[in-house]
Amino acid sequence: KAGVTQTPRYLIKTRGQQVTLSCSPISGHRSVSWYQQTPGQGLQFLFEYFSETQRNKGNFPGRFSGRQFSNSRSEMNVSTLELGDSALYLCASSPSGQGTITDTQYFGPGTRLTVL
Amino acid sequence: QKEVEQNSGPLSVPEGAIASLNCTYSDRGSQSFFWYRQYSGKSPELIMSIYSNGDKEDGRFTAQLNKASQYVSLLIRDSQPSDSATYLCAVNARYSSASKIIFGSGTRLSIRP
Repeated sequence: KAGVTQTPRYLIKTRGQQVTLSCSPISGHRSVSWYQQTPGQGLQFLFEYFSETQRNKGNFPGRFSGRQFSNSRSEMNVSTLELGDSALYLCASSPSGQGTITDTQYFGPGTRLTVL
Repeated sequence: QKEVEQNSGPLSVPEGAIASLNCTYSDRGSQSFFWYRQYSGKSPELIMSIYSNGDKEDGRFTAQLNKASQYVSLLIRDSQPSDSATYLCAVNARYSSASKIIFGSGTRLSIRP
């Protein structure tokens, strides 16, 4: 099976711009979770989508949003970019979602976002 | 109190020795526990999952879970330089009606030849 794919792999934006990141899960996986990883804060949960519905959300401002399509592909959007948004954004897919005991997440390669 | 705690390291272990990585968690109701390995500049890669008390072995890796003491550990036998990476512990935690996976900040492991 093909793994989780994320596009683009690298992005450079300036403050105030917006950005959209894309994630294609492993075939058959219905849950997609997004994480932000920075050296200082580690891996921080953004949100989880399952069957096109946001099922869970982390403690991030409303500038961070996402959606999931009927084919389980997901996009994440960050509006009005700030310098502190520079990070590695990781997407993880799983068959049943974080509420299932035996559910296991598999990560994509990530998108490295740099905000200047 | 952090929900999932790990010693940030670096933990330096000689090649061929056993590396022991520890993780404690705060939610007594947690039922799923995972270890991920992350090389610098790469994404996390799943090593082990464990759900029941006791040991689970997979090749050179052994995960140990003690729910009463709220800790989970990872042992790496016959450590190799290629094991040098950051190891992330992840635990599911309950938040009102939903669960979510919480990651520790990771332990940096260095295997010295």
